[in-house]
Amino acid sequence: RKEVEQDPGPFNVPEGATVAFNCTYSNSASQSFFWYRQDCRKEPKLLMSVYSSGNEDGRFTAQLNRASQYISLLIRDSKLSDSATYLCVVNMASGGYNKLIFGAGTRLAVHP
Amino acid sequence: DAGVTQSPTHLIKTRGQQVTLRCSPKSGHDTVSWYQQALGQGPQFIFQYYEEEERQRGNFPDRFSGHQFPNYSSELNVNALLLGDSALYLCASSLAGGEQFFGPGTRLTVL
Repeated sequence: RKEVEQDPGPFNVPEGATVAFNCTYSNSASQSFFWYRQDCRKEPKLLMSVYSSGNEDGRFTAQLNRASQYISLLIRDSKLSDSATYLCVVNMASGGYNKLIFGAGTRLAVHP
Repeated sequence: DAGVTQSPTHLIKTRGQQVTLRCSPKSGHDTVSWYQQALGQGPQFIFQYYEEEERQRGNFPDRFSGHQFPNYSSELNVNALLLGDSALYLCASSLAGGEQFFGPGTRLTVL
């Protein structure tokens, strides 16, 4: 079983749509959680951290359920510029060291 | 302020050869992590360097080795290249256990 699992997609949605990505992780000792965005042939960039209380950044809302080991990302009012691969990431921090475990990514294509 | 830089951007090698990839961390960062990203996959953790020592390692064979220099820059070495080593190699820098910032990567093709 992979440590971090995501639906690979692709998700093809029209502009203005709401889209939700889900992710599960297997190691209950995971310390912190993130969503990264990766554009084609570019490096991953941090989109947002994920907290149990839920957090929102403009059109983006992230949620963590530690009991279910489940992470979600909701994008409202999709824009063409949101087209990218979204990577679910778990941080296995220990003794001051951090190691990021990535899911395989979910590809989003927003069309006019 | 320059971000994380990597060189070269692209590289083509043949099976059995050896390769060295280089990474300069973001100014002020002291920790460098290396990741391998195969096509269609997420990045996979290779190892992490801090104070010139490898302090964590992922599930990669000994053919993968690294080094960190006193100025915090780092190298990734891969010996006896296999076709399956073809990937995007990403370097990320951070300050201690803080946010990791990624470089643009080196795309390695093994023929």
